Amino acid sequence: GAGVSQSPSNKVTEKGKDVELRCDPISGHTALYWYRQSLGQGLEFLIYFQGNSAPDKSGLPSDRFSAERTGGSVSTLTIQRTQQEDSAVYLCASSFGEAYNEQFFGPGTRLTVL
Amino acid sequence: GQSLEQPSEVTAVEGAIVQINCTYQTSGFYGLSWYQQHDGGAPTFLSYNALDGLEETGRFSSFLSRSDSYGYLLLQELQMKDSASYFCAAFGGSQGNLIFGKGTKLSVKP
Repeated sequence: GAGVSQSPSNKVTEKGKDVELRCDPISGHTALYWYRQSLGQGLEFLIYFQGNSAPDKSGLPSDRFSAERTGGSVSTLTIQRTQQEDSAVYLCASSFGEAYNEQFFGPGTRLTVL
Repeated sequence: GQSLEQPSEVTAVEGAIVQINCTYQTSGFYGLSWYQQHDGGAPTFLSYNALDGLEETGRFSSFLSRSDSYGYLLLQELQMKDSASYFCAAFGGSQGNLIFGKGTKLSVKP
């Protein structure tokens, strides 16, 4: 596609429910990143993939968070047993090669946990 | 630990020049990036400095001093559309990812 796409654009869920957020990176981009941004705050790094591998998962806030990437393309971020503090915009980005190369961001998924 | 410090807010008038500073502390360092984010929008890439010195791209310039662990973004001939948040980000952590600062909200007044 022309850019990074994310779905859904908005997600409202009840506390305790599981949610899945999807990211479609730019075709050919080997690296994919997940960030979280709370209102008016900076970008909190969650996890990155180089191909299908995630070299370091220590950015994930808790074991309720997991992510996978298949076929070197689409990635899914799963949050289990959602809590109100999980409410934020979840941004996905992709780049060709290393992280210092220009990262192209998707529009984000706004998650609201009631 | 890894951290980047930048001012939380800056205000300037249209046509002026503004400098947004960023100091960093990272375990390993390869370079400094800058991103712009308008309210409700996604971050967009502005620049990347791997070497000391000034990089110029149109009205925007970015500077890096490795010895001082310091960089800045310089915006010239400010326009109303430059009102946005600006993030510095360092590359070089063991995770191989970018670490972002908390962002500087720039308000351009007429």
